[in-house]
Amino acid sequence: DVKVTQSSRYLVKRTGEKVFLECVQDMDHENMFWYRQDPGLGLRLIYFSYDVKMKEKGDIPEGYSVSREKKERFSLILESASTNQTSTYLCATLSWSYEQYFGPGTRLTVT
Amino acid sequence: DQQVKQNSPSLSVQEGRISILNCDYTNSMFDYFLWYKKYPAEGPTFLISISSIKDKNEDGRFTVFLNKSAKHLSLHIVPSQPGDSAVYFCAAPFLTGNQFYFGTGTSLTVIP
Repeated sequence: DVKVTQSSRYLVKRTGEKVFLECVQDMDHENMFWYRQDPGLGLRLIYFSYDVKMKEKGDIPEGYSVSREKKERFSLILESASTNQTSTYLCATLSWSYEQYFGPGTRLTVT
Repeated sequence: DQQVKQNSPSLSVQEGRISILNCDYTNSMFDYFLWYKKYPAEGPTFLISISSIKDKNEDGRFTVFLNKSAKHLSLHIVPSQPGDSAVYFCAAPFLTGNQFYFGTGTSLTVIP
């Protein structure tokens, strides 16, 4: 069974803080993704990575950066959190059969 | 621009009846589609998929139909059960599969 874990289920941060969201997978998948989910907007891709140290911007990369130093770990960084980044953040991996496996999500609130 | 669209944000169905969730797409280059199910406070989980070489794929109570000419797919759940109450997303991978497009989701409520 693929396991995708995220470092926090719930997080509350203040405006301007630097925020790190970590994602770890145990299935040796090459591709990893960060999405945010907002009501009425579905899942929107922030960044993805297809290999260690490789990253590509998704649809909404502004205000975010990512890091992939090891194959199993993909981190999302909010350089200076803002209230409009309050959302649920989902990490995912991709199998060879194009199935994405998601972590449980991190509900981030920025006050 | 939304390339995968789910125009119904919510759907309510009686237990035992059929649930039909719809999805439209705009890009004729999409050749593979997936449905995901999401419970509150959990990540989406893969439900069923269909390749563009087929027009139907069935897995137990779940069937996905694809109409390529109309750029439309639908997920049928028969019979619907209260445990099916969740948000359903349709999705399509694009290019090398590194980019996925998701619909906005349909929240299904199955009434006991």
